[in-house]
Order: sequence, then structure tokens, then C-alpha cells
Amino acid sequence: ETGVTQSPTHLIKTRGQQVTLRCSSQSGHNTVSWYQQALGQGPQFIFQYYREEENGRGNFPPRFSGLQFPNYSSELNVNALELDDSALYLCASSPATDLNTEAFFGQGTRLTVV
Amino acid sequence: AQKITQTQPGMFVQEKEAVTLDCTYDTSDPSYGLFWYKQPSSGEMIFLIYQGSYDQQNATEGRYSLNFQKARKSANLVISASQLGDSAMYFCAMRYNTGRRALTFGSGTRLQVQP
Repeated sequence: ETGVTQSPTHLIKTRGQQVTLRCSSQSGHNTVSWYQQALGQGPQFIFQYYREEENGRGNFPPRFSGLQFPNYSSELNVNALELDDSALYLCASSPATDLNTEAFFGQGTRLTVV
Repeated sequence: AQKITQTQPGMFVQEKEAVTLDCTYDTSDPSYGLFWYKQPSSGEMIFLIYQGSYDQQNATEGRYSLNFQKARKSANLVISASQLGDSAMYFCAMRYNTGRRALTFGSGTRLQVQP
């Protein structure tokens, strides 16, 4: 059983550019959530995907978008990058049918916008 | 709206001693789950312990126990016999059992274990 893996681990982008972050969920998990963690803060929920459809969204603008694929892997896309988008982006997977199960997190992608 | 409060930005503990990390929450929903995660400097969030709102007993997982006081809306994490490897950020989080099942995190507590 493989865990949650994210790529890339680090990324530097210029303000105004677009970025795509990737996440492979744990085997058997059909729900993927994305979180943004700014330096010194707790993670903030961006959105969640369940069976390839968005299943909830946090307080993030539309330039944050996502996809989930048939194999339950996922992408987070951010357009028109701003300096404040610099953060650790965490992906978490879980089996949607078991509410008592913890979410399993990847190691994160550290994005720096300059 | 749900809210998690962790009032201790940083804590120090001597190796082999016990430490309590505080967490209070605010919700009007009767069905929810409470989680504690550990985040070392590498960035990965490591699940430690879970408590359901209807669970009658406090959760325990090895050296971790959760002191759940529902009426006070608190879910403190107790780490017994601290080890140097316990030094990390610790986050309390809550998730509703209905609707959007996202985790709401507190601001975290940085624990440093001293030899």
C-alpha cells in the first residue's frame, strides 16, 4: 500500500505565472483534499474532490482550480500567481465512506512566488 | 462555522516527562470528529489520534491520549514519556460528519523536547 505522494516538492514561480501541483492518493482512497499552509499558520482548506467532482470549497478565489482523475490522483492549478500564494500546499486522501478515518497527507509542495 | 483555538504557540518539556497541548473548539453541530496531527520540519502531517463527538471514552494511541471534555468543548492532547523525536508542530483539527468533510485546523503549538 503506497502513501500519498506529491510533486514537485519545491517550486519557484514568478508573479503572474500559472502552476500545477500533483498528488497521487493512497490506494483505495477516492476523496482528495487540498490545503494551503502559509508560514507559521495552520493549513487552510482549498477544495475537495470525490469521484472526479468538486465536493466542497473553502474561501479561495476561482483562480485556484482542480481536477481529479479516474485513478483518484489530483491536480491543483493556480493561475495569475500572487506573492501571497507562497506557501506549503498539502494534499490529503481518505476513503469517503468511513467518516472516522483520518486523512492521510502527502509531504507537501513548497511554492515560492517571487 | 467551526473554529479551533490553540492558545499555546510554543511549549517546552523535559525528555521522559508528560506534556499537555491545549485545544478548544466551537461548533453547533452535534456530530463531528476531532484530530491531532504532528508536523515535523519536513512538512508532512502525521496523524496521531482521533476522537468522535459521540465517543464515550477518551481516545488513546500508545503514548498519546486525548482528554475530551465535550461540555467545555476541549480536546487536549497528552503525550506521555516525551522523546526528543516528539519535537515538532502539533495541530488540532475538526471535521463535521455531514456536509463538507474538510478539516479545520488550529494555529498549532510548537513543542520542543529538551534532553
